[in-house]
Amino acid sequence: EDKVVQSPLSLVVHEGDTVTLNCSYEVTNFRSLLWYKQEKKAPTFLFMLTSSGIEKKSGRLSSILDKKELFSILNITATQTGDSAIYLCAVGMSGAGGTSYGKLTFGQGTILTVHP
Amino acid sequence: NAGVTQTPKFRVLKTGQSMTLLCAQDMNHEYMYWYRQDPGMGLRLIHYSVGEGTTAKGEVPDGYNVSRLKKQNFLLGLESAAPSQTSVYFCASSLPPPGKGTEAFFGQGTRLTVV
Repeated sequence: EDKVVQSPLSLVVHEGDTVTLNCSYEVTNFRSLLWYKQEKKAPTFLFMLTSSGIEKKSGRLSSILDKKELFSILNITATQTGDSAIYLCAVGMSGAGGTSYGKLTFGQGTILTVHP
Repeated sequence: NAGVTQTPKFRVLKTGQSMTLLCAQDMNHEYMYWYRQDPGMGLRLIHYSVGEGTTAKGEVPDGYNVSRLKKQNFLLGLESAAPSQTSVYFCASSLPPPGKGTEAFFGQGTRLTVV
C-alpha cells in the first residue's frame, strides 16, 4: 500500500521562528514529491522535487529530497503570521502499466500556526 | 483561462439521495483526480484517471463512482449519500504526470453536507 506520512501533525510557533516539516513515503515507482500550502481553499503549489540532494528555494521557504532514505523536508525561516496554513506533501508515481501509474497521494498535512 | 472548475460549490443532501459532482479543466490535461478532505486532515484520493475513458481506484473509493467520458471532464457520483460522505471534495488535474515539470492544479472545492 502506498503511504505518505507527514510530521508533526500540528505545530505552533512564534513569528521569527524557523520550522522544519517532514514528509516520508513508501510508494511503488516514485516519480516526484510535491509540497503544497493550503489556507482557506484550494492547495497552492510550492515545490516539486525529483532528484536527491538538490535544494529548491523560494524566499524563506526551501525543500530538499532524500530518495535513499525516502523523505523530504520543508523549511520555513523567519516565520510570519501569513505562513499559518496546512502544509501538504504529495508523491506522484510512475510505472507505465502498473497499478499505481499516475497516482498522486497526499500525506495528512501539517497544521502550522504562527503567533505574532 | 478558467483552469479547473468544480460545480456545484456547495450542496446539502439527505441520506440516500444521489448526486454528481462535475470537474472541468480547460488545460488539455491527461490526469485528473478526486480527493476528499475532512477537518484537520490531508487529502485522501478517491478515484483518478490517467486519460479519457480510464479510471482507477484511490485509497477511499467505496460509495463513489467516476466517469471520464471526455478528456476535459471528470465526474464523481454518489449513488446513495451517507453522513460519512460529508466532506470537502477537491478535483485536480495535471499534464504531464507530476514529475515532468508541472504540478497538479486544483479546483476551488465542493462543500458537501449529508444530513
